[in-house]
Amino acid sequence: NAGVTQTPKFRVLKTGQSMTLLCAQDMNHEYMYWYRQDPGMGLRLIHYSVGEGTTAKGEVPDGYNVSRLKKQNFLLGLESAAPSQTSVYFCASSSGVGDTHGYTFGSGTRLTVV
Amino acid sequence: AQTVTQSQPEMSVQEAETVTLSCTYDTSESDYYLFWYKQPPSRQMILVIRQEAYKQQNATENRFSVNFQKAAKSFSLKISDSQLGDAAMYFCAYRSAWGKLIFGQGTELSVKP
Repeated sequence: NAGVTQTPKFRVLKTGQSMTLLCAQDMNHEYMYWYRQDPGMGLRLIHYSVGEGTTAKGEVPDGYNVSRLKKQNFLLGLESAAPSQTSVYFCASSSGVGDTHGYTFGSGTRLTVV
Repeated sequence: AQTVTQSQPEMSVQEAETVTLSCTYDTSESDYYLFWYKQPPSRQMILVIRQEAYKQQNATENRFSVNFQKAAKSFSLKISDSQLGDAAMYFCAYRSAWGKLIFGQGTELSVKP
């Protein structure tokens, strides 16, 4: 079982460039999430989705957009990258409200904006 | 809003010894879940242990156990017989019955041989 797969694993962007991070899960989970991890700040929620075609803002949504066109995929977009978006990005999924077992995480994407 | 606080940015333990990582949280809810995640240098987030708030008994998983004090809103992780492979970043996390996972700042644990 692949679980949650993130692509790419590493990326360097120039300020102002755009890119899309792809998250794919094969567990038929309803809920998917995008977090960013920064030193001393833990993981902070960017956006999340509670089902195909739905998205919602998390704690730090500015500068990011997301789409959930298919249940298994959750895309995170940066339209105009800024150095402040240098971070490690994690995608996660869960089966939903009744899921008490935490989330399944991808292996992360390290993004550097220069 | 719920918050999770880990006040120890770094901790160190001698191999085979016991170490306790602290976590406090703030919530007005009565039904929730608490987790400890381990993040080794590989970056993978690994679930270590979970605790349901309605259970009074502290959760244990082999060498890992928690001290859950609901009234004090405290959720510490005890690692017994520490091993070199336990060296990692540890995150405490909170989730309400319907809500999202909220993380603490993390504690970097080093294990000395």
